[in-house]
Amino acid sequence: AQSVSQHNHHVILSEAASLELGCNYSYGGTVNLFWYVQYPGQHLQLLLKYFSGDPLVKGIKGFEAEFIKSKFSFNLRKPSVQWSDTAEYFCAVNYGSGGYNKLIFGAGTRLAVHP
Amino acid sequence: EAQVTQNPRYLITVTGKKLTVTCSQNMNHEYMSWYRQDPGLGLRQIYYSMNVEVTDKGDVPEGYKVSRKEKRNFPLILESPSPNQTSLYFCASSFGGRDYGYTFGSGTRLTVV
Repeated sequence: AQSVSQHNHHVILSEAASLELGCNYSYGGTVNLFWYVQYPGQHLQLLLKYFSGDPLVKGIKGFEAEFIKSKFSFNLRKPSVQWSDTAEYFCAVNYGSGGYNKLIFGAGTRLAVHP
Repeated sequence: EAQVTQNPRYLITVTGKKLTVTCSQNMNHEYMSWYRQDPGLGLRQIYYSMNVEVTDKGDVPEGYKVSRKEKRNFPLILESPSPNQTSLYFCASSFGGRDYGYTFGSGTRLTVV
């Protein structure tokens, strides 16, 4: 079955620390990859997405992610986190080359950034 | 403003009392979905719709119904809610195809007692 795994359920960092959140997906042919962020009490917002081309994708708020096809991974990174990055982060994968795009989500990673 | 609007934001109900959570989008999206979010499980798809009058089951459809009579609306119906349906629900919409992610609504926190 198609699945998405996020390695860390909870991450605690100090401000200015570097962040890397892991995401692996099961093989399923063509994939489109997403990272969403959910700030406390809010809905999901798209951080970045990968469809094709340069495997290093830059998103909003200084986030980036790298698609490594051989490892089925799409890890999220940020060089220096801020207190305002405290949120839950979801990796999501769309399996398929066209038509209906069902998103399969990972379980999420809660990030807490301390001043 | 382009958005997905869900109502209500919060709902407490009793077991067995039918309820409907509404969802409306103003972006002319073809695809709409309902997800439930539970701690440690991420978001799981309940139902989705590819167009008017076209709906299909997601991963956790038991106990839910949907309808898509108009392109903009995609209500979620719980005919006989049970406590295991206590969750945070999100409606989302998309143009579909490879190039688009979903736009999510603000969520509905449902408690069934």
